[in-house]
Amino acid sequence: NAGVTQTPKFQVLKTGQSMTLQCAQDMNHEYMSWYRQDPGMGLRLIHYSVGAGITDQGEVPNGYNVSRSTTEDFPLRLLSAAPSQTSVYFCASRAPWNTIYFGEGSWLTVV
Amino acid sequence: DAKTTQPPSMDCAEGRAANLPCNHSTISGNEYVYWYRQIHSQGPQYIIHGLKNNETNEMASLIITEDRKSSTLILPHATLRDTAVYYCIVRVEDSGNTPLVFGKGTRLSVIA
Repeated sequence: NAGVTQTPKFQVLKTGQSMTLQCAQDMNHEYMSWYRQDPGMGLRLIHYSVGAGITDQGEVPNGYNVSRSTTEDFPLRLLSAAPSQTSVYFCASRAPWNTIYFGEGSWLTVV
Repeated sequence: DAKTTQPPSMDCAEGRAANLPCNHSTISGNEYVYWYRQIHSQGPQYIIHGLKNNETNEMASLIITEDRKSSTLILPHATLRDTAVYYCIVRVEDSGNTPLVFGKGTRLSVIA
């Protein structure tokens, strides 16, 4: 997981609260993405970005916003947290023609 | 990206070879086969990828059938640390604009 840093690692939110999961990479990768993984399930793509100023939706974008003002950072915002958003969130980055590097994950519980 | 089919789970004895199959019968000529794995509570880790020739690295070997409709990931001497979910993904090797989409994978349990 070298080079991709996620914060916070653990967070508990109340329903209706908003928060931002931070993701930063120092490998100068253009492509970054956010996934969520529910217990016992595979990873599902939330949003992705192919470069600064460009974002697009993945499989499960509802309830999340992203922005990409710099190459290094790709924050994920939960607008109004719901219990259904309780999950583990992984940020990933990829350079063209190379493999994908994942962060260590952020565990989010919404009560 | 072409769809892949993997068994939901497999067991392997420690020290033996683990052979994980993947079917991708609709693969296109320019699509590569990628393998990732996810050890419990960690982010996925790249293992290996290939187009049509067999590939080997320090972690594993990838055997792709001649018609490219299926492949097998081989861990030659499985250890307890290889217990993980293994994902087979088929996608074009492009500039990175194509999102990586994960299926449910195969849960490999290495048993002592």
